Amino acid sequence: KQEVTQIPAALSVPEGENLVLNCSFTDSAIYNLQWFRQDPGKGLTSLLLIQSSQREQTSGRLNASLDKSSGRSTLYIAASQPGDSATYLCAVFQGAQKLVFGQGTRLTINP
Amino acid sequence: DAGVTQSPTHLIKTRGQHVTLRCSPISGHKSVSWYQQVLGQGPQFIFQYYEKEERGRGNFPDRFSARQFPNYSSELNVNALLLGDSALYLCASSLRADYQPQHFGDGTRLSIL
Repeated sequence: KQEVTQIPAALSVPEGENLVLNCSFTDSAIYNLQWFRQDPGKGLTSLLLIQSSQREQTSGRLNASLDKSSGRSTLYIAASQPGDSATYLCAVFQGAQKLVFGQGTRLTINP
Repeated sequence: DAGVTQSPTHLIKTRGQHVTLRCSPISGHKSVSWYQQVLGQGPQFIFQYYEKEERGRGNFPDRFSARQFPNYSSELNVNALLLGDSALYLCASSLRADYQPQHFGDGTRLSIL
């Protein structure tokens, strides 16, 4: 059974800092991994999808890496801004049909 | 282009009642999935439908059912509501059923009194 863990559960940093969010999964035989952002009371916004054959994916100030052998993915946010404050969720595809999510990291960027 | 739309936004029900939640996928997307997100946790998979057929089912009781229509929109039905069904119900759509990026709606907040 695939389990996804995100550490830390909460993170607070000053504006302008670069930061890394961590995601680990127990079964390395994954296909794709997707990072999401969730604002309070809202749905999920897709940030990046990394295919199993890829090592990393970049979008603007965001960079996600994937190391299947160690069961880890990281989301790097450069030059953080207050608008980046949200909960960040990672999810892996278990089979073709479903995403298995971590519990998320609640990020606060302080002005 | 419109994203995934869900209705209603909020819903309040009492124990024992039933509820129907609706989802319209992004235009061109043929797969719809449903997730339940309890406060403070990550979403849990309930169902996936593709081309009107159920392709996957999570570990939820038979009180939960769903269907997909010819226009690819979907309904999630929950019978005999329990207090523990209080959650944010999220719908996601994708082009196909296999490992495609999932695009989520804003969800329906269901509260059971």
